Amino acid sequence: EAGVTQFPSHSVIEKGQTVTLRCDPISGHDNLYWYRRVMGKEIKFLLHFVKESKQDESGMPNNRFLAERTGGTYSTLKVQPAELEDSGVYFCASSYALAGAYEQYFGPGTRLTVT
Amino acid sequence: AQSVAQPEDQVNVAEGNPLTVKCTYSVSGNPYLFWYVQYPNRGLQFLLKYITGDNLVKGSYGFEAEFNKSQTSFHLKKPSALVSDSALYFCAVRDGVTGGGNKLTFGTGTQLKVEL
Repeated sequence: EAGVTQFPSHSVIEKGQTVTLRCDPISGHDNLYWYRRVMGKEIKFLLHFVKESKQDESGMPNNRFLAERTGGTYSTLKVQPAELEDSGVYFCASSYALAGAYEQYFGPGTRLTVT
Repeated sequence: AQSVAQPEDQVNVAEGNPLTVKCTYSVSGNPYLFWYVQYPNRGLQFLLKYITGDNLVKGSYGFEAEFNKSQTSFHLKKPSALVSDSALYFCAVRDGVTGGGNKLTFGTGTQLKVEL
């Protein structure tokens, strides 16, 4: 079974540019999450999809961030325009919707550097 | 609000010695607790979890963790460390209250270094 995949693995962009990150969850996982780790600090929650619906987007820092999950499969996270403080590692995770299956399975992350 | 504290940025231990990576948490409802490990250039890998039941939970690679409700702690342990255990370890908590959401709150991570 393939794990969670993320693309690209690294991205270096200039301030003001746009970047789109992609996440493919484990097949059959209805729950999809985005997290990020900035400057070696804690990993922070950004948002949670259940299928194509946003269940919780309380962690999204501002309206420069837009997440979508059309069709309830893969998800994209767009940053537009990027700022220096957006640099960090963006993780995607997925989990089953079934009760009792609480662990989230994480992808390798996308390292974003804004210069 | 929920929070996790990992008081040690780095833990050094000799191979073959026992290791402990500390974690304390704060959550309003029943805590669901997790440990993840990140090896260099890899994603987070699930190690173990505590949801309910026995306070001592066993996980992957010989790791275990002890849930202590009175001390609000969930320390990660291994009886005999290996050099290959060297990695970044994250503790995480989720509020088990129904409707509390699925989001995990992580600590800042502890770098474990096991030396020969």
